[in-house]
Amino acid sequence: QQQVKQSPQSLIVQKGGISIINCAYENTAFDYFPWYQQFPGKGPALLIAIRPDVSEKKEGRFTISFNKSAKQFSLHIMDSQPGDSATYFCAASMIGDSWGKLQFGAGTQVVVTP
Amino acid sequence: DVKVTQSSRYLVKRTGEKVFLECVQDMDHENMFWYRQDPGLGLRLIYFSYDVKMKEKGDIPEGYSVSREKKERFSLILESASTNQTSMYLCASKLQGERGYTFGSGTRLTVV
Repeated sequence: QQQVKQSPQSLIVQKGGISIINCAYENTAFDYFPWYQQFPGKGPALLIAIRPDVSEKKEGRFTISFNKSAKQFSLHIMDSQPGDSATYFCAASMIGDSWGKLQFGAGTQVVVTP
Repeated sequence: DVKVTQSSRYLVKRTGEKVFLECVQDMDHENMFWYRQDPGLGLRLIYFSYDVKMKEKGDIPEGYSVSREKKERFSLILESASTNQTSMYLCASKLQGERGYTFGSGTRLTVV
């Protein structure tokens, strides 16, 4: 059973639009929430991460919004570009896990049309 | 930059074969992980190793084993490959105490 539920499975957005991907979790022991970006033929790469003591983190056109009470977090891609077309995974790991094992969502395939 | 190298990009093996997937990292990371990636299921942890010769089961270890004889190398072993092990296999590593993973490019294994 997946501990991090991700939606949608795929989305298509026009260039310049906003892509929004949502994730939800149940385990309140999670304390680190990264997003990974994967291009075809490549392994996932860390894009941006947040901890539950902040509600929002922004890096360039990528923003994580975090709602601790709702146990949800989301990735917003502003001004989406064709180069952002990739699969995006949310993930979470637990406080007290010495090895920092990540639990991943199912992934969202984003296609940005020109 | 840390590099995680997986020895094969594509592999085709027959049912019942013993299969070795190799992963090497070049930055002295203590922790190494094997995940499999399947559409609609995301990445699921098979095994991880927190140091040389140390290993722990992940969420789906059945049918797999691992070996870590040297710090830089982590091998995933399919003792008797089955068709339901057809998947993309991803290796990752990180420093102990850090949270961010570095992934390899993956090995796409097909078992026929």
